[in-house]
Amino acid sequence: GAVVSQHPSRVICKSGTSVKIECRSLDFQATTMFWYRQFPKQSLMLMATSNEGSKATYEQGVEKDKFLINHASLTLSTLTVTSAHPEDSSFYICSYRVPDEKLFFGSGTQLSVL
Amino acid sequence: AQTVTQSQPEMSVQEAETVTLSCTYDTSENNYYLFWYKQPPSRQMILVIRQEAYKQQNATENRFSVNFQKAAKSFSLKISDSQLGDTAMYFCAFSNAGKSTFGDGTTLTVKP
Repeated sequence: GAVVSQHPSRVICKSGTSVKIECRSLDFQATTMFWYRQFPKQSLMLMATSNEGSKATYEQGVEKDKFLINHASLTLSTLTVTSAHPEDSSFYICSYRVPDEKLFFGSGTQLSVL
Repeated sequence: AQTVTQSQPEMSVQEAETVTLSCTYDTSENNYYLFWYKQPPSRQMILVIRQEAYKQQNATENRFSVNFQKAAKSFSLKISDSQLGDTAMYFCAFSNAGKSTFGDGTTLTVKP
């Protein structure tokens, strides 16, 4: 199956700092990818949809100025959590969509904001 | 908007036994895809099985099979010969026009 690399796997930061999460498809290219947020024992909550070369589309309630998404190439996308606060602490997951609607996921990033 | 319902928050099964996880969905679309994904304790989401709505034949992948009832909008997952490594949270997902909707998940524990 397709491999998606996501790092860091875990990050602890101080309140007010920014954190960048990188998501890279290693053996395939895809134009569309998604960023999710997941709380313990809950489902995935879609944050934004990103198409290579264009601006991301954010879900209602997700602040685009806080969660900056850059999808500069078919294989690399980044999510930057700006001015992080404790309420931003969560598990963040990226996924790429391939033409037959399958999703391939990164391994996730656990963000803890102190 | 599509909705996906998994009515079993938690389930358990003895090793080597068979278990069925339920999923229902609601949509007005005719063409779509349905998926089961698993999320083991490592939290890595993994595709288990995919079903295309226009195909009547139920999808199978080794020990995993689905019972797809389009008219009833039901899409259950059967795991045969359960193994300890099947312990995970299982998510049913509906996909159409590039957008996926996930159910709330079922936590499955396989007991030795």
